[in-house]
Amino acid sequence: EIVMTQSPATLSVSLGERVTVSCRASQYAAHNLAWYQQKPGQAPRLLIYGASTRVTGVPARFSGSGSGTEFTLTISSLQSEDFAVYYCQQYNQWPPVTFGGGTKVEIK
Amino acid sequence: QVQLQESGPGLVKPSETLSLSCNVSGDSVKSYYWSWLRQSPGKGLEWIGYIYFSGDADYNPSLKSRVSLSVDTSKNEFSLRLRSVTAADTAVYYCARRFIAGMLVFDLWGRGTLVTVSS
Repeated sequence: EIVMTQSPATLSVSLGERVTVSCRASQYAAHNLAWYQQKPGQAPRLLIYGASTRVTGVPARFSGSGSGTEFTLTISSLQSEDFAVYYCQQYNQWPPVTFGGGTKVEIK
Repeated sequence: QVQLQESGPGLVKPSETLSLSCNVSGDSVKSYYWSWLRQSPGKGLEWIGYIYFSGDADYNPSLKSRVSLSVDTSKNEFSLRLRSVTAADTAVYYCARRFIAGMLVFDLWGRGTLVTVSS
């Protein structure tokens, strides 16, 4: 199975800052990569699929890039509602689809 | 507005079977492929399997020997059974909808239900 590794595990950020979360796949994942946001006590929310396509309703400050084995989620200007845990998920090779361990974006 | 709601026991004894259902409201269970996932502090997010009303299904190889999924169209719900549970199966269990055919990503999730395996 493809192992997904996210870095860093925690990011301490101020409002308005640019945030970059990295995700690395242990094997080739093409563009078949999704990003989710999860807030405490809630289910994950799909933000991006196809490595860079935002789901309808997701603010434009969220963007995704990358292909193959290296992927990035960028939040251009962090808002208060963006403090959460972010997960990447590959769906290029399954079963099983696999998730990264998560990156917690917290207030600095 | 489509919503998913998990239901089932919150406590299961070791070696017994975990059974959960997910009710689909606002759409037909026949309309999509449906999945179960779980989340635990130790293993993070883990996909369990998917099911379609026709019976088409696939499972995580790590759980395949213990898992079965089913769909009840009369109740507009789908279900998970996980046999021979241990403490390692303690997790929040989510039901979810597959977003786009051919892409196993999940755009709609239930709120999740905590299942604890303990005697």
